[in-house]
Amino acid sequence: DADVTQTPRNRITKTGKRIMLECSQTKGHDRMYWYRQDPGLGLRLIYYSFDVKDINKGEISDGYSVSRQAQAKFSLSLESAIPNQTALYFCATSDLATNYGYTFGSGTRLTVV
Amino acid sequence: KQEVTQIPAALSVPEGENLVLNCSFTDSAIYNLQWFRQDPGKGLTSLLLIQSSQREQTSGRLNASLDKSSGRSTLYIAASQPGDSATYLCAVTGRDDKIIFGKGTRLHILP
Repeated sequence: DADVTQTPRNRITKTGKRIMLECSQTKGHDRMYWYRQDPGLGLRLIYYSFDVKDINKGEISDGYSVSRQAQAKFSLSLESAIPNQTALYFCATSDLATNYGYTFGSGTRLTVV
Repeated sequence: KQEVTQIPAALSVPEGENLVLNCSFTDSAIYNLQWFRQDPGKGLTSLLLIQSSQREQTSGRLNASLDKSSGRSTLYIAASQPGDSATYLCAVTGRDDKIIFGKGTRLHILP
């Protein structure tokens, strides 16, 4: 089983719909992150969480919200999806034990039509 | 504001050659620097992590160096193989715990 699991792997949704992307990890890491990747723009940080009670905005948090349900689970929601949120979304984890090196999930490809 | 630049954006080399990928960053106050590999449409795989106090890390045919004072890191790949074809990303973690990624170098090894 993967250390960092993202579901779904692919999703097509309509403009205006609410959608949730889920991430779970078995690494026991404290820190979890959500990124989106767009061609030509690289990886951009949406939200991050250093522990269950800690949630922080990244550089592009508008239009997104997150929930850290447990140490192992961090979900990303798009309250009202719009086409420019079409992207590849990645969850990542890190921890002091690994000197904050990142472990990434396999990604969710989201298409908003 | 930290900026991470990777040059070149794309590179094609014949199989068997040794090659160097470059990463530069504008703020030398970093906690660590990490190199990743990404295959098309896939997630990122960590290759090497260099702490700010270290000068280099090695794994197999890969060697990464770090020169904080000049704001540079290089990823050296020895004896390149077609399976090394991928996009290579550099990421730095600042003292503020923020991680900034470069846009990557797309590497193509010609058989």
